[in-house]
Amino acid sequence: AQSVAQPEDQVNVAEGNPLTVKCTYSVSGNPYLFWYVQYPNRGLQFLLKYITGDNLVKGSYGFEAEFNKSQTSFHLKKPSALVSDSALYFCAVRPKAAGNKLTFGGGTRVLVKP
Amino acid sequence: GAVVSQHPSRVICKSGTSVKIECRSLDFQATTMFWYRQFPKQSLMLMATSNEGSKATYEQGVEKDKFLINHASLTLSTLTVTSAHPEDSSFYICSARVGGINEKLFFGSGTQLSVL
Repeated sequence: AQSVAQPEDQVNVAEGNPLTVKCTYSVSGNPYLFWYVQYPNRGLQFLLKYITGDNLVKGSYGFEAEFNKSQTSFHLKKPSALVSDSALYFCAVRPKAAGNKLTFGGGTRVLVKP
Repeated sequence: GAVVSQHPSRVICKSGTSVKIECRSLDFQATTMFWYRQFPKQSLMLMATSNEGSKATYEQGVEKDKFLINHASLTLSTLTVTSAHPEDSSFYICSARVGGINEKLFFGSGTQLSVL
């Protein structure tokens, strides 16, 4: 069975500083990997995904993530965080052969302070 | 991008009553929709996969008679929480699949259910 770990419950960062949200996964076979963001009382919004090809994936709102197969990681990054980036971030994994059943990590709350 | 509309956004009901939550894909047809449940400060847990015109597939531990799912059309799936109890209070989120090579999931804005 697949699993996703987001080791940090919360990440605090000053506005303008780099932001990193960590994600590691466990899945048999090659995975599809996703990042979603959730604002208060809202559904999830898609940020980016890794399917195949270039390990560095660029997504919405200036976010990017790097797929590292040897470390089974897919950390989310943003070079310069904004206060508006404060939200709950979820990493998700889906084996390529598993239909559309996503497995989500526990989520990481990001707080960007002015 | 594709829009998924979920209603109501918030509902408060008495214990023992049933609550219906609707999930609509507004500008695309969704052959597959998913229902998730999210507890406070926790991740989303997949409850069931809903395919248009067929019975939903429930995840282990999810009571199908408790959480009735109907996907009668390509743009609408409903989740009915029957005989709700306080432990059913949670945030419920639906998502709809846009297929093809570049398949994506689009999520509704969620429904906060509070059972008194």
